Amino acid sequence: EAGVTQFPSHSVIEKGQTVTLRCDPISGHDNLYWYRRVMGKEIKFLLHFVKESKQDESGMPNNRFLAERTGGTYSTLKVQPAELEDSGVYFCASSQWGGAQETQYFGPGTRLLVL
Amino acid sequence: AQTVTQSQPEMSVQEAETVTLSCTYDTSESDYYLFWYKQPPSRQMILVIRQEAYKQQNATENRFSVNFQKAAKSFSLKISDSQLGDAAMYFCAYRRASSGDKLTFGTGTRLAVRP
Repeated sequence: EAGVTQFPSHSVIEKGQTVTLRCDPISGHDNLYWYRRVMGKEIKFLLHFVKESKQDESGMPNNRFLAERTGGTYSTLKVQPAELEDSGVYFCASSQWGGAQETQYFGPGTRLLVL
Repeated sequence: AQTVTQSQPEMSVQEAETVTLSCTYDTSESDYYLFWYKQPPSRQMILVIRQEAYKQQNATENRFSVNFQKAAKSFSLKISDSQLGDAAMYFCAYRRASSGDKLTFGTGTRLAVRP
C-alpha cells in the first residue's frame, strides 16, 4: 500500500510568487490534514478535510493560503503571494475515518524556502 | 487550548544504552491520546508509540516504552538498547479523543546515537 506522498519535495521561490503544494493521501483515507513546521518550532496544524469538505481550518495563517481537495482525493495548498515567513516544511497527513483510535500517517513534507 | 512541551532540544546516547525523552502537556480534557513520532533525517515521520489516556498501563513497542503520568501530565519515551537507526527528531503529540481531531505537537527533541 502506497503511503502519503507530497510534491514537490523542495521549492525555492521569491517573495511575491505563487507556489502550489500537492498531497496524495493513502487510498481510502477520508481525513486529510495539513501541518507546517517553521524552523526550530513546533509542527502546527493548518487545516483538516473530511473527504472534500473543510472540517477545521482554524490554523490557516491568513487569506494568502488556499487549500482544496476536489473530489475528496488529493489536496493542494496554494500560497499566493508568498512571504518570507511562509518558509518552512509543510506536512500532509491522512487517516481513516472510524473512531477515536485512528492514526495519522504523514508524508515526507515539502520544504519551502521564500527568498 | 492544549499545549505540548519538550524541554530537551537535543539528546545524545551511546549505542546499546538507554535514553529517556521528556514531554509534558496541558489539557482540561479527561480523555485523549498521546503519541511519539520519529522523523529520521530526510525521511518520513512515522508513529513510534501511542497511549490512550484512559489506560493506566504504559504502552510498549519492542524497545520503545512510555512512562505516562496522567496526574502530572507527563509522557516520557524510553528507548532501550539504542541503535544507530534510532537517530532522529522525536516529536511528542497530543490529540483529543474526538474522531478526526488534529494533533498538537511539541517542538521536538533531536536524538543523536554515538557508536
